[in-house]
Amino acid sequence: NAGVTQTPKFQVLKTGQSMTLQCAQDMNHEYMSWYRQDPGMGLRLIHYSVGAGITDQGEVPNGYNVSRSTTEDFPLRLLSAAPSQTSVYFCASSSLAGGRGYSYEQYFGPGTRLTVT
Amino acid sequence: GENVEQHPSTLSVQEGDSAVIKCTYSDSASNYFPWYKQELGKRPQLIIDIRSNVGEKKDQRIAVTLNKTAKHFSLHITETQPEDSAVYFCAARPIGSNYKLTFGKGTLLTVNP
Repeated sequence: NAGVTQTPKFQVLKTGQSMTLQCAQDMNHEYMSWYRQDPGMGLRLIHYSVGAGITDQGEVPNGYNVSRSTTEDFPLRLLSAAPSQTSVYFCASSSLAGGRGYSYEQYFGPGTRLTVT
Repeated sequence: GENVEQHPSTLSVQEGDSAVIKCTYSDSASNYFPWYKQELGKRPQLIIDIRSNVGEKKDQRIAVTLNKTAKHFSLHITETQPEDSAVYFCAARPIGSNYKLTFGKGTLLTVNP
């Protein structure tokens, strides 16, 4: 199992550009989510999904869009990049059913470091 | 929504000492409390978790305690080693939150050899 994968690992954008951060998981997890991590701010939830075709907003959704057309993939789109979106972005997934007894563990991807100039 | 406060923000200990990190949560409906460890430049990884029907859970040198009445939970690391140096995050998930985790802001633990 590759677990949770993210691409790219690093990205530099100019203000106003758009891009998509890719996230995929091969664990058949129903739940997927996107976080941003900024110094001293912890992990803040951007958007999440509890299954294909179902998405919802988290704590800091403005400026980001998501879609979930398959169980495996959960891309995050930046519509018009702003310097305030400079951050490290993590995708995470977990099972809702709780395999092996139960487990709500969220598995994180390796992260994407985004800089907006 | 849920709010999780984590203290201290930084913690420095000598190798072999114990370390304690404390978190409080606001939503009495929270029933799942995981702790994640994040080494520099790496992804967060689960180290231990506890559910609201359990007061304490231990795994080798780490333990988590939960006080539902006071709405706080703590991570205890005994016999600390330099490789325990990392940022530790607590989190809480309320029942009916659609599985959303709310994280604390993190504690940078430094274990000095």
